[in-house]
Amino acid sequence: DAGVIQSPRHEVTEMGQEVTLRCKPISGHDYLFWYRQTMMRGLELLIYFNNNVPIDDSGMPEDRFSAKMPNASFSTLKIQPSEPRDSAVYFCASSPGQGAWDTQYFGPGTRLTVL
Amino acid sequence: AQSVTQLDSHVSVSEGTPVLLRCNYSSSYSPSLFWYVQHPNKGLQLLLKYTSAATLVKGINGFEAEFKKSETSFHLTKPSAHMSDAAEYFCVVSDVNTGNQFYFGTGTSLTVIP
Repeated sequence: DAGVIQSPRHEVTEMGQEVTLRCKPISGHDYLFWYRQTMMRGLELLIYFNNNVPIDDSGMPEDRFSAKMPNASFSTLKIQPSEPRDSAVYFCASSPGQGAWDTQYFGPGTRLTVL
Repeated sequence: AQSVTQLDSHVSVSEGTPVLLRCNYSSSYSPSLFWYVQHPNKGLQLLLKYTSAATLVKGINGFEAEFKKSETSFHLTKPSAHMSDAAEYFCVVSDVNTGNQFYFGTGTSLTVIP
């Protein structure tokens, strides 16, 4: 398996623009997670899905952020409109979901810069 | 409630000397504990995990960690540091009450001096 795939790897955009980040989880994994990493706040869980259904989105910063998982092999995280404070590395992770002991497998991340 | 405290934000060791990265956790139930490593500009990679089996867990690249319930600790060790070990290390706790949700420590940056 190729692992978790994220695209793009780098995104530079201007304030006010819409940004869409994409993730393909490992085939057969039931859980998908979106994280944000910044120097100030470390790793933060934004939202996670189980079997394509959002379970907990309490980490989503505000209404400008939205995430979807239309099928088991694809998820998007959208920011509209983007702001400079959204600059961060965004990670997607997936897990087989057999229990709390399950490992999460992380993608390489998308480095977002909002000017 | 679950939480993780990584006691050192930065650790420096000389190449060939032992590594100790400290982690204390708080969990209401029987936790699962993980160590992940993140090399510069890379994603997170699993080093090892504890899931209520043997308390001494061996991971990749010569790392190991010991679960000590009485001390609520899960420290990461390696007998001899290598230059390639320089990275950020994250301790993570999870338990059945939170499903698959991970709680990350703030990370420890390991520097290896040649």
